[in-house]
Amino acid sequence: EAGVTQSPTHLIKTRGQQATLRCSPISGHTSVYWYQQALGLGLQFLLWYDEGEERNRGNFPPRFSGRQFPNYSSELNVNALELEDSALYLCASSPHRRGSTDTQYFGPGTRLTVL
Amino acid sequence: SQQGEEDPQALSIQEGENATMNCSYKTSINNLQWYRQNSGRGLVHLILIRSNEREKHSGRLRVTLDTSKKSSSLLITASRAADTASYFCATEIGSVLANTGKLIFGQGTTLQVKP
Repeated sequence: EAGVTQSPTHLIKTRGQQATLRCSPISGHTSVYWYQQALGLGLQFLLWYDEGEERNRGNFPPRFSGRQFPNYSSELNVNALELEDSALYLCASSPHRRGSTDTQYFGPGTRLTVL
Repeated sequence: SQQGEEDPQALSIQEGENATMNCSYKTSINNLQWYRQNSGRGLVHLILIRSNEREKHSGRLRVTLDTSKKSSSLLITASRAADTASYFCATEIGSVLANTGKLIFGQGTTLQVKP
Protein backbone atom coordinates (compact mmCIF):
# COMPACT_ATOMS: atom_id res chain seq x y z
CA GLU A 1 0.00 0.00 0.00
CA ALA A 2 1.41 3.39 -0.98
CA GLY A 3 1.99 5.85 1.81
CA VAL A 4 1.33 9.55 1.93
CA THR A 5 3.10 11.33 -0.90
CA GLN A 6 4.09 14.98 -1.11
CA SER A 7 5.41 17.16 -3.89
CA PRO A 8 7.69 18.81 -4.54
CA THR A 9 10.47 17.49 -2.30
CA HIS A 10 12.19 20.85 -2.24
CA LEU A 11 10.90 24.29 -3.14
CA ILE A 12 12.87 27.50 -3.27
CA LYS A 13 11.04 30.81 -3.43
CA THR A 14 11.81 34.43 -2.81
CA ARG A 15 10.15 36.68 -0.28
CA GLY A 16 6.72 37.86 -1.39
CA GLN A 17 6.09 34.98 -3.78
CA GLN A 18 3.47 32.27 -3.40
CA ALA A 19 4.17 28.60 -2.74
CA THR A 20 1.90 25.63 -3.48
CA LEU A 21 2.54 22.31 -1.80
CA ARG A 22 0.70 19.12 -2.66
CA CYS A 23 -0.25 16.00 -0.75
CA SER A 24 -1.86 12.69 -1.67
CA PRO A 25 -3.24 10.68 1.24
CA ILE A 26 -3.17 6.96 1.73
CA SER A 27 -5.89 5.29 -0.31
CA GLY A 28 -9.10 5.17 1.71
CA HIS A 29 -8.14 8.01 4.02
CA THR A 30 -10.44 11.03 3.97
CA SER A 31 -8.65 13.29 6.43
CA VAL A 32 -5.55 15.30 5.56
CA TYR A 33 -3.51 17.31 8.03
CA TRP A 34 -0.75 19.87 7.48
CA TYR A 35 2.06 20.66 9.90
CA GLN A 36 4.99 23.05 9.83
CA GLN A 37 8.36 22.09 11.30
CA ALA A 38 10.48 25.19 11.50
CA LEU A 39 13.91 25.25 13.08
CA GLY A 40 13.62 26.02 16.76
CA LEU A 41 9.82 26.00 16.76
CA GLY A 42 9.09 22.30 16.54
CA LEU A 43 6.11 20.73 14.83
CA GLN A 44 3.12 23.04 14.64
CA PHE A 45 -0.40 22.09 13.50
CA LEU A 46 -1.56 24.09 10.48
CA LEU A 47 -4.78 22.69 9.02
CA TRP A 48 -7.10 19.72 9.02
CA TYR A 49 -9.32 18.83 6.05
CA ASP A 50 -11.89 16.10 5.97
CA GLU A 51 -14.23 15.25 3.11
CA GLY A 52 -13.45 18.50 1.36
CA GLU A 53 -14.03 20.80 4.30
CA GLU A 54 -11.67 22.62 6.64
CA ARG A 55 -12.30 21.16 10.09
CA ASN A 56 -9.70 22.92 12.20
CA ARG A 57 -6.98 25.50 11.84
CA GLY A 58 -3.86 26.22 13.84
CA ASN A 59 -2.55 29.58 14.93
CA PHE A 60 -1.26 30.74 11.56
CA PRO A 61 -2.06 33.90 9.57
CA PRO A 62 -4.66 33.78 6.75
CA ARG A 63 -1.95 33.76 4.09
CA PHE A 64 -1.66 30.07 4.93
CA SER A 65 -4.59 28.40 3.22
CA GLY A 66 -5.45 25.19 1.53
CA ARG A 67 -8.08 22.98 0.08
CA GLN A 68 -9.01 19.36 -0.31
CA PHE A 69 -10.11 17.94 -3.63
CA PRO A 70 -12.86 15.33 -4.29
CA ASN A 71 -10.18 12.62 -4.49
CA TYR A 72 -9.06 13.70 -0.96
CA SER A 73 -5.70 15.03 -2.11
CA SER A 74 -4.83 18.43 -0.72
CA GLU A 75 -2.98 21.62 -1.49
CA LEU A 76 -1.36 24.02 0.93
CA ASN A 77 -0.88 27.56 -0.34
CA VAL A 78 1.34 30.09 1.33
CA ASN A 79 0.98 33.64 0.02
CA ALA A 80 3.29 36.61 0.47
CA LEU A 81 6.14 34.40 1.63
CA GLU A 82 8.29 35.58 4.48
CA LEU A 83 11.75 34.40 5.44
CA GLU A 84 10.39 32.71 8.56
CA ASP A 85 8.14 30.50 6.44
CA SER A 86 11.23 28.45 5.60
CA ALA A 87 10.49 25.06 7.09
CA LEU A 88 9.68 21.43 6.45
CA TYR A 89 5.97 21.10 5.69
CA LEU A 90 4.54 17.74 6.58
CA CYS A 91 1.27 16.28 5.42
CA ALA A 92 -0.48 13.44 7.20
CA SER A 93 -3.61 11.42 6.54
CA SER A 94 -5.97 9.25 8.53
CA PRO A 95 -9.19 7.32 7.98
CA HIS A 96 -11.22 9.82 9.95
CA ARG A 97 -14.26 8.48 11.68
CA ARG A 98 -16.44 10.61 13.89
CA GLY A 99 -16.26 9.58 17.50
CA SER A 100 -12.89 7.98 17.06
CA THR A 101 -9.30 9.05 17.08
CA ASP A 102 -6.93 7.66 14.52
CA THR A 103 -3.25 7.44 13.85
CA GLN A 104 -1.96 10.16 11.56
CA TYR A 105 0.41 8.80 8.93
CA PHE A 106 2.94 11.28 7.64
CA GLY A 107 4.50 11.88 4.27
CA PRO A 108 8.18 12.68 3.61
CA GLY A 109 7.60 16.43 3.64
CA THR A 110 8.34 19.39 1.41
CA ARG A 111 11.33 21.52 2.33
CA LEU A 112 10.43 25.15 1.60
CA THR A 113 13.24 27.67 1.52
CA VAL A 114 12.42 31.36 1.27
CA LEU A 115 15.27 33.60 0.14
CA SER B 1 3.75 26.32 24.74
CA GLN B 2 4.18 22.70 23.74
CA GLN B 3 1.80 20.19 25.31
CA GLY B 4 4.43 17.50 25.37
CA GLU B 5 7.81 17.84 26.98
CA GLU B 6 10.36 15.19 26.30
CA ASP B 7 13.16 14.10 28.49
CA PRO B 8 16.04 13.78 27.89
CA GLN B 9 16.60 16.14 24.96
CA ALA B 10 19.50 14.00 23.80
CA LEU B 11 20.56 10.44 24.54
CA SER B 12 23.67 8.57 23.42
CA ILE B 13 24.01 4.83 24.02
CA GLN B 14 25.88 1.81 22.71
CA GLU B 15 24.30 -0.71 20.40
CA GLY B 16 22.53 -3.41 22.37
CA GLU B 17 21.63 -1.14 25.28
CA ASN B 18 18.10 -0.06 26.10
CA ALA B 19 16.92 3.50 25.52
CA THR B 20 14.19 5.14 27.58
CA MET B 21 12.54 8.40 26.63
CA ASN B 22 9.92 10.21 28.68
CA CYS B 23 7.13 12.55 27.73
CA SER B 24 4.99 14.72 29.97
CA TYR B 25 1.88 16.60 28.97
CA LYS B 26 -0.42 19.15 30.55
CA THR B 27 -4.07 18.52 29.71
CA SER B 28 -6.40 15.54 29.37
CA ILE B 29 -5.82 13.59 26.19
CA ASN B 30 -7.64 11.19 23.86
CA ASN B 31 -4.48 9.35 22.98
CA LEU B 32 -0.73 9.67 22.87
CA GLN B 33 1.39 8.69 19.92
CA TRP B 34 5.11 8.21 19.44
CA TYR B 35 6.85 9.03 16.17
CA ARG B 36 10.38 8.70 14.83
CA GLN B 37 12.05 11.16 12.48
CA ASN B 38 15.28 10.45 10.64
CA SER B 39 17.45 13.43 9.68
CA GLY B 40 14.68 15.99 9.12
CA ARG B 41 12.59 13.72 6.95
CA GLY B 42 9.00 12.57 7.43
CA LEU B 43 7.64 11.13 10.63
CA VAL B 44 7.25 7.40 11.04
CA HIS B 45 4.45 6.31 13.33
CA LEU B 46 5.62 3.93 16.04
CA ILE B 47 2.75 3.35 18.40
CA LEU B 48 -0.54 4.83 19.62
CA ILE B 49 -1.74 4.35 23.17
CA ARG B 50 -5.24 5.40 24.14
CA SER B 51 -6.08 7.19 27.35
CA ASN B 52 -7.69 4.05 28.83
CA GLU B 53 -4.61 1.91 28.16
CA ARG B 54 -1.59 1.63 30.42
CA GLU B 55 0.94 -0.28 28.34
CA LYS B 56 1.49 -1.36 24.75
CA HIS B 57 4.16 -3.36 23.01
CA SER B 58 5.30 -3.44 19.42
CA GLY B 59 8.38 -5.49 18.63
CA ARG B 60 11.27 -3.94 20.55
CA LEU B 61 9.13 -0.99 21.63
CA ARG B 62 7.28 -0.69 24.90
CA VAL B 63 5.14 2.33 25.71
CA THR B 64 3.55 3.11 29.05
CA LEU B 65 1.00 5.76 29.88
CA ASP B 66 0.24 7.15 33.32
CA THR B 67 -2.69 9.53 33.03
CA SER B 68 -2.58 10.39 36.73
CA LYS B 69 0.95 11.75 36.26
CA LYS B 70 0.28 12.92 32.71
CA SER B 71 3.33 11.11 31.46
CA SER B 72 4.40 8.43 29.02
CA SER B 73 7.60 6.56 28.37
CA LEU B 74 9.01 4.86 25.30
CA LEU B 75 11.46 2.02 25.83
CA ILE B 76 13.52 0.68 22.95
CA THR B 77 15.17 -2.58 23.88
CA ALA B 78 18.36 -4.00 22.36
CA SER B 79 18.98 -0.81 20.39
CA ARG B 80 20.57 -0.82 16.94
CA ALA B 81 22.50 1.83 15.03
CA ALA B 82 19.46 2.13 12.75
CA ASP B 83 17.43 3.39 15.73
CA THR B 84 19.44 6.63 15.60
CA ALA B 85 16.79 9.31 15.07
CA SER B 86 14.66 11.91 16.82
CA TYR B 87 11.67 10.63 18.74
CA PHE B 88 8.57 12.68 19.38
CA CYS B 89 5.51 12.17 21.50
CA ALA B 90 2.29 13.69 20.26
CA THR B 91 -0.97 14.15 22.07
CA GLU B 92 -4.44 14.80 20.77
CA ILE B 93 -6.68 16.83 23.02
CA GLY B 94 -10.42 17.35 22.83
CA SER B 95 -13.19 14.87 23.39
CA VAL B 96 -13.70 11.67 21.41
CA LEU B 97 -16.99 13.09 20.15
CA ALA B 98 -15.39 16.32 19.01
CA ASN B 99 -12.04 15.53 17.48
CA THR B 100 -9.77 18.47 16.89
CA GLY B 101 -7.50 16.59 14.49
CA LYS B 102 -4.65 18.49 16.06
CA LEU B 103 -1.60 16.66 17.33
CA ILE B 104 0.57 18.60 19.74
CA PHE B 105 4.18 17.53 19.58
CA GLY B 106 6.94 17.69 22.11
CA GLN B 107 10.37 19.02 21.22
CA GLY B 108 11.69 15.51 20.79
CA THR B 109 14.54 13.36 22.07
CA THR B 110 17.54 12.90 19.81
CA LEU B 111 18.83 9.35 20.16
CA GLN B 112 22.26 8.31 18.97
CA VAL B 113 23.09 4.62 19.01
CA LYS B 114 26.80 3.96 18.56
CA PRO B 115 27.82 0.76 16.79
